Amino acid sequence: DSGVTQTPKHLITATGQRVTLRCSPRSGDLSVYWYQQSLDQGLQFLIQYYNGEERAKGNILERFSAQQFPDLHSELNLSSLELGDSALYFCASSVEDRGVYEQFFGPGTRLTVL
Amino acid sequence: AQSVTQLGSHVSVSEGALVLLRCNYSSSVPPYLFWYVQYPNQGLQLLLKYTSAATLVKGINGFEAEFKKSETSFHLTKPSAHMSDAAEYFCAVSGPGGANSKLTFGKGITLSVRP
Repeated sequence: DSGVTQTPKHLITATGQRVTLRCSPRSGDLSVYWYQQSLDQGLQFLIQYYNGEERAKGNILERFSAQQFPDLHSELNLSSLELGDSALYFCASSVEDRGVYEQFFGPGTRLTVL
Repeated sequence: AQSVTQLGSHVSVSEGALVLLRCNYSSSVPPYLFWYVQYPNQGLQLLLKYTSAATLVKGINGFEAEFKKSETSFHLTKPSAHMSDAAEYFCAVSGPGGANSKLTFGKGITLSVRP
């Protein structure tokens, strides 16, 4: 158990819908990262937050957005869903992001868009 | 920009045999390198990381990796494979931190262990 929790574990929805994925980082971790894992794209970085502020953006679609709240949990919002958005979405956290700190990964949310 | 190349998508070894999983990286800044393992239906777990302190890095479960700057490689090895090592392995690179702390992953290698 990494200490990072993600809810829900599984999500099945239809095209055009909007979903919210939630991540609670390890206690004390200030940095949260979101990654997408799909068969064709592999593991890709989406976005990073540090202590409530957006720190870096990767290949995140405009239909996707995220935020980190004062209690440091984070949410990833996916809207106007398409079949190609079906993937495993991971959240990771680290205590800091300056220097090299291990990122601890949650178990992921498996999103299926029908 | 950073990238990772993992040659081959699948490696099969016999139990007790040497495990060698290859990783080559490209980075415009001094790289930090990682190997993660993913078991079925689970998240990623860190095996080991290179942070410029020592070129030979020892990790969990008997794995180790050697950073070779001249070859831009960070291959993962284990002297003797165990059935429990069957999983998917990802090599990743990051920059020195801050906005460059994100991980860039290779495509992963599935390791099978034959009895």
